[in-house]
Amino acid sequence: NAGVTQTPKFQVLKTGQSMTLQCAQDMNHEYMSWYRQDPGMGLRLIHYSVGAGITDQGEVPNGYNVSRSTTEDFPLRLLSAAPSQTSVYFCASSYSLPGVGQPQHFGDGTRLSIL
Amino acid sequence: GIQVEQSPPDLILQEGANSTLRCNFSDSVNNLQWFHQNPWGQLINLFYIPSGTKQNGRLSATTVATERYSLLYISSSQTTDSGVYFCAVVDQNFVFGPGTRLSVLP
Repeated sequence: NAGVTQTPKFQVLKTGQSMTLQCAQDMNHEYMSWYRQDPGMGLRLIHYSVGAGITDQGEVPNGYNVSRSTTEDFPLRLLSAAPSQTSVYFCASSYSLPGVGQPQHFGDGTRLSIL
Repeated sequence: GIQVEQSPPDLILQEGANSTLRCNFSDSVNNLQWFHQNPWGQLINLFYIPSGTKQNGRLSATTVATERYSLLYISSSQTTDSGVYFCAVVDQNFVFGPGTRLSVLP
């Protein structure tokens, strides 16, 4: 059982480049989300999705786009990378909305450095 | 939005010692979870505990929702307990606290 799979694990970009962080889950979860974790801080929500075709902004959405064309996949796109986006990115999924009490399952993270 | 605080920010223990980590939140919540981030960065669910008390081996957690706090107890700590412990509450989505960094020395 793979759970939540994130690729790549590490990436270095130059300022202005674009890239897509991949997230896939095989648990048939409806709710998926992206967080960023900066040094000494907790996780902050970037974007989330409550099902295929439905996405919404979290706390820190600027500079990121998402789409949810299938239940399994939830890619995060950086349109024009900036040094302030250097961070560790986590994807998470759960069976339903967090308020219903379902535990969140996290991927192993993507360490992204913007030079 | 909901504010989440955790204390202490850092904790150093000798192996075998007990510890209590605290999470305070500013409003009523539907969901509270504790996570452990190990030294390799992986996030692991510990407890889903919006109220009451749960135990899992050497770890237990208590949430007093009416007083807006939760406690995580670690007994007989081991070096493998090292890492950062986060609590997260649900407003509409998860809101994470800043974490408590625990170092258990052999």
